[in-house]
Amino acid sequence: KQEVTQIPAALSVPEGENLVLNCSFTDSAIYNLQWFRQDPGKGLTSLLLIQSSQREQTSGRLNASLDKSSGRSTLYIAASQPGDSATYLCAAFSTGNTPLVFGKGTRLSVIA
Amino acid sequence: DAGITQSPRHKVTETGTPVTLRCHQTENHRYMYWYRQDPGHGLRLIHYSYGVKDTDKGEVSDGYSVSRSKTEDFLLTLESATSSQTSVYFCAISDSGTGADTQYFGPGTRLTVL
Repeated sequence: KQEVTQIPAALSVPEGENLVLNCSFTDSAIYNLQWFRQDPGKGLTSLLLIQSSQREQTSGRLNASLDKSSGRSTLYIAASQPGDSATYLCAAFSTGNTPLVFGKGTRLSVIA
Repeated sequence: DAGITQSPRHKVTETGTPVTLRCHQTENHRYMYWYRQDPGHGLRLIHYSYGVKDTDKGEVSDGYSVSRSKTEDFLLTLESATSSQTSVYFCAISDSGTGADTQYFGPGTRLTVL
């Protein structure tokens, strides 16, 4: 059974800092790894999707990497801004009756 | 934003009453999903649908049933609500179930069972 872990559960950084969010998964037989953002009281917004054959994906100030052999993905946020404050969730897509398994998220606070 | 709406957005009900939550999409996506989100547990899949009248169970399906009579609507029913079903419920859609594309989420329904 796939398990996805995100550490730390919460992170606070000053504005302008570059930061890395971590995600680990137990079963490397995944089709893709996805990163989502969730603002308080809102639904999830897709940020990046990395296919299993890819090593990384970039969108603006965000860069996500995937290392299947070690069961890890990272989300790099460059030049953080207060508007980046949110909870970031990663999810691994594999087979089974729960195809998309989510981590519990990292709550990010960027302090101005 | 993907065209996904959920209704109601908030509901308070009493233990033992039936509750139906509705998810409506305008994207004509084949796959639809119901998740619940709880502190300490994250997002967990309840049921999903891969076509009209085609549904399957997820990780936490006990106490829930679903129906999909039209491509655009996916209903989640709690036959007899319990306090343990107090949660935030999210609907999601995707065009394929292969992992080639992402899932798009609705705004959520906050359900409180007293």
